[in-house]
Amino acid sequence: DAGVIQSPRHEVTEMGQEVTLRCKPISGHDYLFWYRQTMMRGLELLIYFNNNVPIDDSGMPEDRFSAKMPNASFSTLKIQPSEPRDSAVYFCASSPRRQSGEAFFGQGTRLTVV
Amino acid sequence: GQQVMQIPQYQHVQEGEDFTTYCNSSTTLSNIQWYKQRPGGHPVFLIQLVKSGEVKKQKRLTFQFGEAKKNSSLHITATQTTDVGTYFCAGPSGSQGNLIFGKGTKLSVKP
Repeated sequence: DAGVIQSPRHEVTEMGQEVTLRCKPISGHDYLFWYRQTMMRGLELLIYFNNNVPIDDSGMPEDRFSAKMPNASFSTLKIQPSEPRDSAVYFCASSPRRQSGEAFFGQGTRLTVV
Repeated sequence: GQQVMQIPQYQHVQEGEDFTTYCNSSTTLSNIQWYKQRPGGHPVFLIQLVKSGEVKKQKRLTFQFGEAKKNSSLHITATQTTDVGTYFCAGPSGSQGNLIFGKGTKLSVKP
């Protein structure tokens, strides 16, 4: 397996534009997580899915953020409209089981909003 | 809510010196996990501890889980430049399926 695949690796966009980040989890993993990493706040959980169903989105900062998982092999995180404070590295991770399973991270998407 | 705290935030050592990072949870954990993130990279799973008082070793790395299962430590003996990165601990969030990560300890090693 190629691991968790995220695209794009880097994204530079202008304030107000829509941004879509993509993630392909490891096949067979039931859990998918979206994290945001910044120097100030560290690794923050935004939302996670179990079997394609959103379980907890309390970490999503605002209504500008939305996430979907239409099937077991694909998820998106959308920001619309984007703002400079959204600049961060966004990681997708998948896990085979809750509680005891380790998380496998993708390489991340570095988002810069100018 | 549940919190996982790590200290120190930064550690600068001379190559060959030892390094320790400490992790404390506000609640009892069923397990604790450790991750390493190299500069510019992504977090990579190192190990999971499950039992009270458990100690595990990976070459120069020693991981410990406290008796009360609320704290943990990672100790590196004789650091090398390849040890550079940020070390995170993470614990499961109560009945939820997600992990709560500490803020990490950033290790720099001077050759």
